[in-house]
Amino acid sequence: IAGITQAPTSQILAAGRRMTLRCTQDMRHNAMYWYRQDLGLGLRLIHYSNTAGTTGKGEVPDGYSVSRANTDDFPLTLASAVPSQTSVYFCASSGGHDTDTQYFGPGTRLTVL
Amino acid sequence: GQNIDQPTEMTATEGAIVQINCTYQTSGFNGLFWYQQHAGEAPTFLSYNVLDGLEEKGRFSSFLSRSKGYSYLLLKELQMKDSASYLCAPKDSNYQLIWGAGTKLIIKP
Repeated sequence: IAGITQAPTSQILAAGRRMTLRCTQDMRHNAMYWYRQDLGLGLRLIHYSNTAGTTGKGEVPDGYSVSRANTDDFPLTLASAVPSQTSVYFCASSGGHDTDTQYFGPGTRLTVL
Repeated sequence: GQNIDQPTEMTATEGAIVQINCTYQTSGFNGLFWYQQHAGEAPTFLSYNVLDGLEEKGRFSSFLSRSKGYSYLLLKELQMKDSASYLCAPKDSNYQLIWGAGTKLIIKP
């Protein structure tokens, strides 16, 4: 692995189903983030983690949960998906030599029907 | 509240120069980032300003005025591959990035 990976690349999901989006980084970054990006809007922060074992709520956390059991992984779970959660989801990380810059994964395109 | 203003779309000609402006209002300020995002791809880091003035990096330069809540990204010698969205993102007092909706730059031959 080089950088940040996300899985799946895309997913179509029935409303009410549970879904976990995966994010893994191999840069040993302390901080990780989950954003959603919708047409015409800026990236909106869902949840973040400043270090393994800690998490925090961002601007739009409702309907989402995260965990940070170790440095590398930061999964995002939708407990019961709704159509308004249709979006592109980006995971990002920062830390290491350049502590401020956030580096993004390739994104997951999620459609909730 | 926190607010970022960028033009929605700009058009420029290959080989020319374009300036993309960003004004911001945030609760506190801890630097400002510019990212590039090609359609269907992830944002990638372009520049970071924390002090007033111009930061130059090859064909791209970024300027910051903290007192005016203003930044711009200057792209020189435009190439077709520069067609993308450019995202302005200041960092607030909680060290969180506040993202603008971005400026879609269209380059014409």
